[in-house]
Amino acid sequence: SQQGEEDPQALSIQEGENATMNCSYKTSINNLQWYRQNSGRGLVHLILIRSNEREKHSGRLRVTLDTSKKSSSLLITASRAADTASYFCATETGANNLFFGTGTRLTVIP
Amino acid sequence: GAVVSQHPSWVICKSGTSVKIECRSLDFQATTMFWYRQFPKQSLMLMATSNEGSKATYEQGVEKDKFLINHASLTLSTLTVTSAHPEDSSFYICSARPMDSYGYTFGSGTRLTVV
Repeated sequence: SQQGEEDPQALSIQEGENATMNCSYKTSINNLQWYRQNSGRGLVHLILIRSNEREKHSGRLRVTLDTSKKSSSLLITASRAADTASYFCATETGANNLFFGTGTRLTVIP
Repeated sequence: GAVVSQHPSWVICKSGTSVKIECRSLDFQATTMFWYRQFPKQSLMLMATSNEGSKATYEQGVEKDKFLINHASLTLSTLTVTSAHPEDSSFYICSARPMDSYGYTFGSGTRLTVV
């Protein structure tokens, strides 16, 4: 299976704290993407990091990629209650499709 | 931004009937669309890749005759769950990638319940 794994499976933090989610994958990739899913809804693309990049920022999001360890992390700084959602990493290989990680359910307590 | 419209958002059907789910790219053309299945509190599993004007490519373990995919135009792909059974109950999501985007755009998903 090409599915990646994320940890933790669930994370609960207080509003204002930072949230860090980790993703590990198995195969060589072209890029790695992070998506957010609110309960029972579709996914929203957050950020993409290419295989030759090591770090990327977008607003309160910071993504790192370590291809030697086949791992990535997503950091959400100064979390808000509205950040409560499930977060998935997804790897894209040359096959032009995505394989998703197992996801992290983030709860931000107001 | 690019929008993918998926409907119905939910459907309840009886065992043995067929259900069609539509996925439309509203403001871009999509020669390729992707269909995923998601069980509660689990990840998305790619079922098949829908190709405009040609046959879909199915992932290993996905029954082609069970999950019929048609991609008749550059903006519409359909997934038909044939002879549905309770174990087919799940959340189905489609996606496509606009040409000027690196990220994929997802539909809002369809909750299928087979009773």
